[in-house]
Formats: sequence, C-alpha cells, structure tokens
Amino acid sequence: QVQLVESGGGLVKPGGSLRLSCGASGLNVREYFMSWIRQAPGKGLEWVSYISSSSSYTNYADSVKGRFTISRDNAKNSVYLQMNSLRAEDTAVYYCASGQYDPAVGDYWGQGTLVTVSS
Amino acid sequence: AIRMTQSPSSFSASTGDRVAITCRASQGISSYLAWYQQKPGKAPKLLIYAASTLQSGVPSRFSGSGSGTDFTLTISCLQSEDFATYYCQQYYNYPTFGQGTRLEIK
Repeated sequence: QVQLVESGGGLVKPGGSLRLSCGASGLNVREYFMSWIRQAPGKGLEWVSYISSSSSYTNYADSVKGRFTISRDNAKNSVYLQMNSLRAEDTAVYYCASGQYDPAVGDYWGQGTLVTVSS
Repeated sequence: AIRMTQSPSSFSASTGDRVAITCRASQGISSYLAWYQQKPGKAPKLLIYAASTLQSGVPSRFSGSGSGTDFTLTISCLQSEDFATYYCQQYYNYPTFGQGTRLEIK
C-alpha cells in the first residue's frame, strides 16, 4: 500500500524559512517524478513544483520561483521543499504527490502539512 | 499560463442522477487533462488522466471526454460518496487547475 507522509509544516513569520519533507512507503520514489501542490484555506489547488526522478529537471510556479527549492534523496525515499522568504500568501496545506503517468499528474497524494505564515 | 475554467462552480443533485461537469482551457491542450475528486479535509484523489483514462480502482460510473479546449467529467449514477469538489487540471505545459466544482446533495 502506497503512503506519502508530509512533515515540517508549522507557524513561521513573514520572511522566515521552513523545510517540508515527504517520506514514501510502498513506492520507490526513484522511479517517479515527485511534486508539491498547495491549497490555501478554502481555496483551490496550485502546483508548486516538481522534480524528475534523477533530480536533473525541476520546475516551479512563478509565485515561488527563486524562493522555493525542491530536492530529493532517493536513498531515503524522500522529497523535500525548502521554502525561503515566506509570505502570508504562502499559507496553505502543502501536499506531496507522485507522478507515475506524467510528471504533472498526481496519482498518489499525502495527507498534507499546514504552513501558516503570520506575524 | 493556461487558464482552466470549470462550470458550474457548484450545483446540487440527487443520488442516482447523471451529472456532467465541464472544463474549458484558454488554449488547446490536446488530451493533457486530469480530473480529481476532493472531500473536505482530505487530499485530492486522481479519477481520470489523459482526458479519458480511468485511474485504477475508480468506479466505472466516472468517465471523461474531450480534447483540445473542451472537456467533460460525467458521473453516470451518483452515489452518496460522490458528493465532493471536483477539479480539472491541465498538464500540457506548467500544470494549472480549474477553480473547482462543488457537488452537493439536493
């Protein structure tokens, strides 16, 4: 049974940093593109970033480009999102997802971790 | 960025009904379209990808159609567990979602 578990969310002040982690079980992340998608409270979904299986290719939403960095450690079966220069508008539940069919189709999703940016 | 517009934004229906949700892309996206279902407090669940391919384990009452700019998600016989919010998403280029369609019980 595939399970993705996010961690690292919490309350941070504007301008601060957080690092989110996504650990996988029942799925070998080295075989898949992996993504982060977020959802602000009561709002729709926004694809934040994705990374290729070899880490050679990454892509980001314009809203986070230059501030967020996606990475992966295939040996730990994990994916990460380093978030710097956080803003109030980054407040959201952050989900990680795997991409078996396409880099940007989320077939398995974690339960999400809440990031709140507030002073 | 490609803009995805869903209609309606919300509607109500009864169990057993056949319902359809439409999604329009601001430019042609071939068949690079996925549909997700989301229930309150839960992560989205993939229903359909490549516009019409049913994800493994998803009931056959769900179906998708369309290509280019216009797409439809059809639920042939609504069950109680189908009342949720549905999102379309294009992956022709950097992925973007529709605003969501909330399906409520009448």
